Amino acid sequence: TQLLEQSPQFLSIQEGENLTVYCNSSSVFSSLQWYRQEPGEGPVLLVTVVTGGEVKKLKRLTFQFGDARKDSSLHITAAQPGDTGLYLCAGGETSYDKVIFGPGTSLSVIP
Amino acid sequence: DVKVTQSSRYLVKRTGEKVFLECVQDMDHENMFWYRQDPGLGLRLIYFSYDVKMKEKGDIPEGYSVSREKKERFSLILESASTNQTSMYLCASSSWTGEQYFGPGTRLTVT
Repeated sequence: TQLLEQSPQFLSIQEGENLTVYCNSSSVFSSLQWYRQEPGEGPVLLVTVVTGGEVKKLKRLTFQFGDARKDSSLHITAAQPGDTGLYLCAGGETSYDKVIFGPGTSLSVIP
Repeated sequence: DVKVTQSSRYLVKRTGEKVFLECVQDMDHENMFWYRQDPGLGLRLIYFSYDVKMKEKGDIPEGYSVSREKKERFSLILESASTNQTSMYLCASSSWTGEQYFGPGTRLTVT
């Protein structure tokens, strides 16, 4: 059974600080996605990584897919209160497969 | 802009009632999914569908059924609602890439 673990589970930081959250598995994924979910809303797709070692940037967010395609990280530079939310990673074995979601990292950025 | 809509944002039902949750997507996606999300348990897959009139059980199908008569519409049915089905219900659709697009969610309370 594929499992995705995320760490830390909770993170509370001051505005302007940097942070990294992690997504790990013992399984290999064909692709891995990151989503952000705000309270009371559905998750919103941020990025998809598909190649081992791939790095993608989305403004202040940097996403990296591990060389072995078993893990990923999300780094936020100079966090802002608008970054507050639940960050979920999700991976699938094949493009057509249902994805497996991690439990999420709940981020709170304090002004 | 891609869009997934759900029939209700909030719903209150009594124990034993039959409940219908509807989801519509306008992206011509083949795949559609129903999840429930509970604190500490993350996103759990209830049912999914790869095509019209096709359905597959997810991780927690007990107490639920689904219907997909048209490509754009995927309905979740609670045959006899129980208090342990109080939850946030999220519908999603995906293309061949596996990237999921979520609706805003329905917060269901069963009393």
